[in-house]
Amino acid sequence: GAVVSQHPSWVICKSGTSVKIECRSLDFQATTMFWYRQFPKQSLMLMATSNEGSKATYEQGVEKDKFLINHASLTLSTLTVTSAHPEDSSFYICSARTVGVGEKLFFGSGTQLSVL
Amino acid sequence: EDQVTQSPEALRLQEGESSSLNCSYTVSGLRGLFWYRQDPGKGPEFLFTLYSAGEEKEKERLKATLTKKESFLHITAPKPEDSATYLCAVRTGGTSYGKLTFGQGTILTVHP
Repeated sequence: GAVVSQHPSWVICKSGTSVKIECRSLDFQATTMFWYRQFPKQSLMLMATSNEGSKATYEQGVEKDKFLINHASLTLSTLTVTSAHPEDSSFYICSARTVGVGEKLFFGSGTQLSVL
Repeated sequence: EDQVTQSPEALRLQEGESSSLNCSYTVSGLRGLFWYRQDPGKGPEFLFTLYSAGEEKEKERLKATLTKKESFLHITAPKPEDSATYLCAVRTGGTSYGKLTFGQGTILTVHP
């Protein structure tokens, strides 16, 4: 089946620094990727939709200047958490959509971000 | 506003004890109901997609069914390795494929 690779799996950073998370579709081209955020024991909340070659579409309440999304190729999307603060600590998950008949949505393994 | 409610929040079973998880939804124009399995510290793993009432899908010990108001995930003779959080999500008309509305999940624990 389709595989989505997310890196790193976990990261610890100091408050005020920026962190980049990568999401790659390994065996298919993904024109659309999605970024979710998940707090402990809570469900996934969509943050933004990332489209290859164009600007990301952010959900209401998500700061686009804090969560920078780049989708420069058909297999890679990145999420950069800028000037991270402790309240940004969370589990971030990306997903990628296959296109065509039987389109599906596959998720990466997630990145646990801890901001000290 | 689309709503997805899963019950129970947590379920403890003995190995071999069959049971069902529930996903109730209130949406405008269902375009698909999805079941995922999520292990701690991991991303969701796709299980099933159901599109219309009456549809059923099976995979090993799991069987998903759909009505106009809810979906059930039946687990037959579960094993400890089935322990995980099971998430359901809905996709509604007019939204991008990735804009799924998720339920809060059911934490399943299967004891040997």
